[in-house]
Amino acid sequence: ETGVTQSPTHLIKTRGQQVTLRCSSQSGHNTVSWYQQALGQGPQFIFQYYREEENGRGNFPPRFSGLQFPNYSSELNVNALELDDSALYLCASSGGTPGQYFGPGTRLTVT
Amino acid sequence: EDQVTQSPEALRLQEGESSSLNCSYTVSGLRGLFWYRQDPGKGPEFLFTLYSAGEEKEKERLKATLTKKESFLHITAPKPEDSATYLCAARLEGKLIFGQGTTLQVKP
Repeated sequence: ETGVTQSPTHLIKTRGQQVTLRCSSQSGHNTVSWYQQALGQGPQFIFQYYREEENGRGNFPPRFSGLQFPNYSSELNVNALELDDSALYLCASSGGTPGQYFGPGTRLTVT
Repeated sequence: EDQVTQSPEALRLQEGESSSLNCSYTVSGLRGLFWYRQDPGKGPEFLFTLYSAGEEKEKERLKATLTKKESFLHITAPKPEDSATYLCAARLEGKLIFGQGTTLQVKP
């Protein structure tokens, strides 16, 4: 059974640029959730995708958007990057059981 | 407002010194209380899910319990490898609301 994978591992971007982060869900899972974790804080819910549709969104502006593909993998896109977007971005997959299983994260640094 | 608060923020223990971590929650429509372990620079690792007051779950040196307002993570005779940040989260519909975590350091 393959776990949740994310790419890239690290990324450095300049303020105002756009970024795309990728996530492959665990085998058999059809739901993907994205979280932002600032240093020293708990993860904050960005949004969730279920069967290619957005299924809930946290308090994040529209410049945070996402996609889910037929194989249940997912992308997180962030436009017009701001310094405060620097964080660890976590993807979690779930399906059938209540647990959400997290990937290793993508560390985004905005300069 | 739905909220999850963990205490203490940091905890230092000697190897073998048992203790408990607290997670207080005020949420409506709780659909499970989750505990995760997170090592530096890595994603959270799932530990337990609790659903109803009085429920308990154990794994090695860890035991999680749940009341109507709080959850506790009891660590019995911890070892240095138990050092990590422990996160609790309340599930509402599909999303998890996390506390800020408790960073545990166990010294040999």
